[in-house]
Amino acid sequence: GDSVTQMEGPVTLSEEAFLTINCTYTATGYPSLFWYVQYPGEGLQLLLKATKADDKGSNKGFEATYRKETTSFHLEKGSVQVSDSAVYFCALSDRGGAQKLVFGQGTRLTINP
Amino acid sequence: GAVVSQHPSWVICKSGTSVKIECRSLDFQATTMFWYRQFPKQSLMLMATSNEGSKATYEQGVEKDKFLINHASLTLSTLTVTSAHPEDSSFYICSVPGRESYGYTFGSGTRLTVV
Repeated sequence: GDSVTQMEGPVTLSEEAFLTINCTYTATGYPSLFWYVQYPGEGLQLLLKATKADDKGSNKGFEATYRKETTSFHLEKGSVQVSDSAVYFCALSDRGGAQKLVFGQGTRLTINP
Repeated sequence: GAVVSQHPSWVICKSGTSVKIECRSLDFQATTMFWYRQFPKQSLMLMATSNEGSKATYEQGVEKDKFLINHASLTLSTLTVTSAHPEDSSFYICSVPGRESYGYTFGSGTRLTVV
């Protein structure tokens, strides 16, 4: 079945550092790919998405490019802030199925001032 | 995307009692809603797909008699944890597919503690 694998955390960085969180996927079809962010005690918020190969999703300084050849959707940000501290989830949705989301295990990010 | 309201945000109940969690789609008619469960410091696991006007579709390993789902209208799905036990303590989150292609909006979640 479909699956998503994320880089294991936790990840701790200093403010203004460069961030990469790796995400790779396995899917039988042509999935849409997502990054969600979860702040403490809250539900999930969509951070960005890409629906086809070579698409780049971007939001709030974060970017991720849908790479079909490497089945990856790595999240990047050039300069992180303390407010970016949260748990980040990579996810996919198989268009041909029931459109339910399959999540990676999540990566906890902590940014120190 | 859709605007989703989930209630309550937290609840504490005694073992053996039942708890109902509501998920409302405020501006979008949702024929389908999803219910997830999240254990501390872990990912979200899909429990079931709620279908308006018909039975929910449960994922493998989820007890449908314990986690009752009712999707009575296009704007409301409820999850009832019946005869709750401490091992049912968890964070439950609903989501609604939105208008945009493959967009999903999540409720703010319900933290259930069974004592």
